[in-house]
Amino acid sequence: DQQVKQNSPSLSVQEGRISILNCDYTNSMFDYFLWYKKYPAEGPTFLISISSIKDKNEDGRFTVFLNKSAKHLSLHIVPSQPGDSAVYFCAASATSGGSNYKLTFGKGTLLTVNP
Amino acid sequence: DSGVTQTPKHLITATGQRVTLRCSPRSGDLSVYWYQQSLDQGLQFLIQYYNGEERAKGNILERFSAQQFPDLHSELNLSSLELGDSALYFCASSEQGANTEAFFGQGTRLTVV
Repeated sequence: DQQVKQNSPSLSVQEGRISILNCDYTNSMFDYFLWYKKYPAEGPTFLISISSIKDKNEDGRFTVFLNKSAKHLSLHIVPSQPGDSAVYFCAASATSGGSNYKLTFGKGTLLTVNP
Repeated sequence: DSGVTQTPKHLITATGQRVTLRCSPRSGDLSVYWYQQSLDQGLQFLIQYYNGEERAKGNILERFSAQQFPDLHSELNLSSLELGDSALYFCASSEQGANTEAFFGQGTRLTVV
């Protein structure tokens, strides 16, 4: 049962354009969402997060949007740069259940930014 | 550098063997998580420890076990290894009591031959 779904295994965009990565979730208990970036042979690194009390969080070129009614979130990267080429994982957590902050991950989307 | 250290980086072993993967969390982090990433799969949650106690279990096989020691480092033990256990195993740590992200180590690549 995939509670966090990233339906696009890959995405290719031109440098300077917008990259939009999508993520859907099914567990209504999830209230904290994160995006991680992963380069080959490295561990995932935290990129940006959003709490369910917000619908948007921005950090430089990265913006995450949350649509709770649709159980959907998206990561926008503007402008996209070749160094952004990596696998992006969406993750979700149900933090209201005490100290269990385990993250449930999607399968990832490989973003390729072409020069 | 995330501050999370995993050893070894690579491990090649034969089917039926037992291995131990080690993780040192970031200084001050009480929670340790183990994840498995197989080919074409996302990060599958295995188990979480908080301050030495098991807190959550995911899709962890009975052949696998873990523990967190008083100094907060953790070990993941994999026994009776099968070819399908070949994967990247990641450890992550986080600070508890707040909505904080988990920091990942670089992973241990296990190859079972």
